[in-house]
Amino acid sequence: QQQVKQSPQSLIVQKGGISIINCAYENTAFDYFPWYQQFPGKGPALLIAIRPDVSEKKEGRFTISFNKSAKQFSLHIMDSQPGDSATYFCAASMNFGNEKLTFGTGTRLTIIP
Amino acid sequence: DAGITQSPRHKVTETGTPVTLRCHQTENHRYMYWYRQDPGHGLRLIHYSYGVKDTDKGEVSDGYSVSRSKTEDFLLTLESATSSQTSVYFCAISDDLAGGYSYNEQFFGPGTRLTVL
Repeated sequence: QQQVKQSPQSLIVQKGGISIINCAYENTAFDYFPWYQQFPGKGPALLIAIRPDVSEKKEGRFTISFNKSAKQFSLHIMDSQPGDSATYFCAASMNFGNEKLTFGTGTRLTIIP
Repeated sequence: DAGITQSPRHKVTETGTPVTLRCHQTENHRYMYWYRQDPGHGLRLIHYSYGVKDTDKGEVSDGYSVSRSKTEDFLLTLESATSSQTSVYFCAISDDLAGGYSYNEQFFGPGTRLTVL
């Protein structure tokens, strides 16, 4: 059962544009929603995370938007750069990350000049 | 990679042979996890550990066993490897939740690419 659904599977964005990746979850007990970034040949690394008591969190060019009623959250990358080209995974967990993470299927982002 | 090493980094083996992957951490973190990564499936949890000798199954545990005899080491064993276990395996670690408004981050190792012929 896929508890966290991620889209799109792949995304191509021009340099300077906005990249948007969406995720939807089913389990209302989830209370921690991280995004991980993975470069080829490397392990995933935490990019940004949010708890459901806020609707938005911003760190530099990266923003998570969270809609609790719709059970959806998204990652926005502003002013996308070639160095942002990577695979992005959304995830969800209970107990503020103390429980196991359930991952989305990933989005391969390519930023073109 | 947050003091996490995985060995071997690459392995090719034949169907039916036993395989053991090792995860070693220097962070003294309590929790350790094994994931597999496959195209179209993202990362799926195989097994995890919440302390020495304390382990539990994840969503894709069939065909895998784990052991944790020391805080720093978490071993993943494929008793009899099959081609469906060809994958990239990641170890991750996390610690107890800190106090206050915080969350528990998982740190991932560099991965092991396993090919079962």
